[in-house]
Amino acid sequence: AQSVTQPDARVTVSEGASLQLRCKYSYSATPYLFWYVQYPRQGLQLLLKYYSGDPVVQGVNGFEAEFSKSNSSFHLRKASVHWSDSAVYFCAVSTGGSNAKLTFGKGTKLSVKS
Amino acid sequence: EAAVTQSPRSKVAVTGGKVTLSCHQTNNHDYMYWYRQDTGHGLRLIHYSYVADSTEKGDIPDGYKASRPSQENFSLILELASLSQTAVYFCASRNDWGPNEVYFGSGTRLTVL
Repeated sequence: AQSVTQPDARVTVSEGASLQLRCKYSYSATPYLFWYVQYPRQGLQLLLKYYSGDPVVQGVNGFEAEFSKSNSSFHLRKASVHWSDSAVYFCAVSTGGSNAKLTFGKGTKLSVKS
Repeated sequence: EAAVTQSPRSKVAVTGGKVTLSCHQTNNHDYMYWYRQDTGHGLRLIHYSYVADSTEKGDIPDGYKASRPSQENFSLILELASLSQTAVYFCASRNDWGPNEVYFGSGTRLTVL
């Protein structure tokens, strides 16, 4: 079975600083990887996804993530954060295919100080 | 745009009572899911369905039933609500092909007293 670990429950950064949110996954085959964002009292919105090819994928609002098979990681990055980026970020892994199940990490709450 | 609508947005229930959470999608997706969100646990899969009139158990199905009467509708049923079922519940849908992107509803906040 697959699993996802987000080691940082909370991250605080200053506005304009760079950001990295960490994600480690466990899955025996090549996974489908996702980052979702949840703003207060809202559902989850897809930020970006990785299926194959270039290990660096671009998402919305200047976010990008890098897949590393050797490290079983899919870290999320942003060069310069804005106060509106404050939210909870979830990393998720899917097995793909018809009966795919999406497994989530516990989430990282990002607070951006203005 | 893909749309998943949940009702109600919030609900207060009494212990031992029956609760039904509803979900409707206009995405024409085959798969639908019910997740539970608790602080510190992320999202955990309760039940899912890949075709009408059929449901499957997820990772934490105990105390919950699901019903998929049509491709568009998927309900989560708590026959005997308990305090431990206080949580936010999310419905989601995805296609059976292509990118496997999952689309989420806005959630139902359930409080059991």
